[in-house]
Amino acid sequence: EAQVTQNPRYLITVTGKKLTVTCSQNMNHEYMSWYRQDPGLGLRQIYYSMNVEVTDKGDVPEGYKVSRKEKRNFPLILESPSPNQTSLYFCASSLSATRKNYGYTFGSGTRLTVV
Amino acid sequence: LAKTTQPISMDSYEGQEVNITCSHNNIATNDYITWYQQFPSQGPRFIIQGYKTKVTNEVASLFIPADRKSSTLSLPRVSLSDTAVYYCLVVTLGAGSYQLTFGKGTKLSVIP
Repeated sequence: EAQVTQNPRYLITVTGKKLTVTCSQNMNHEYMSWYRQDPGLGLRQIYYSMNVEVTDKGDVPEGYKVSRKEKRNFPLILESPSPNQTSLYFCASSLSATRKNYGYTFGSGTRLTVV
Repeated sequence: LAKTTQPISMDSYEGQEVNITCSHNNIATNDYITWYQQFPSQGPRFIIQGYKTKVTNEVASLFIPADRKSSTLSLPRVSLSDTAVYYCLVVTLGAGSYQLTFGKGTKLSVIP
């Protein structure tokens, strides 16, 4: 089944403890992206990747890192999480960012709580 | 990036047709209009995409007038399961930087 898989689904952590949220897609998509969703603020893009080894900042990149060493994986790294990064996170992928848009496939989400 | 404006919320009775309009006054020539649906605590789901005139699929229709400054998502005969948030996005295609920006969306409530 074509899908975007995020792990974990739920995570509670303490301030300052490094964590990684994984994202993997099995559709050979070039484009991948991370979003966070907060009440009243909607979905905001954190980082995106046009292809392997190509990443760029979205609207709210502070406090996050990403890497794209292989096409299928796009992990989101929080080096030193803070409570204001408590949010619902979504990973998304799309066939291509430079040709006609085939739509984005989103993962099921990761609910992160930083205490 | 073209900014979009949608109603914050809409109510509809089951079985009715629902039309959600989105305005995007500064849409550019290379931009496409895309709509997504999101249920609580789930990722958005792609519904439909168009460039101009009318596009129809098994879920919805998308109407885009000639000036492309607005678009209307039409959901025929809604059911309770269509209660969700609907997002209108303007997507720019082309080489270079690429961002997909979601607005606040329209919260559709379908009433029995």
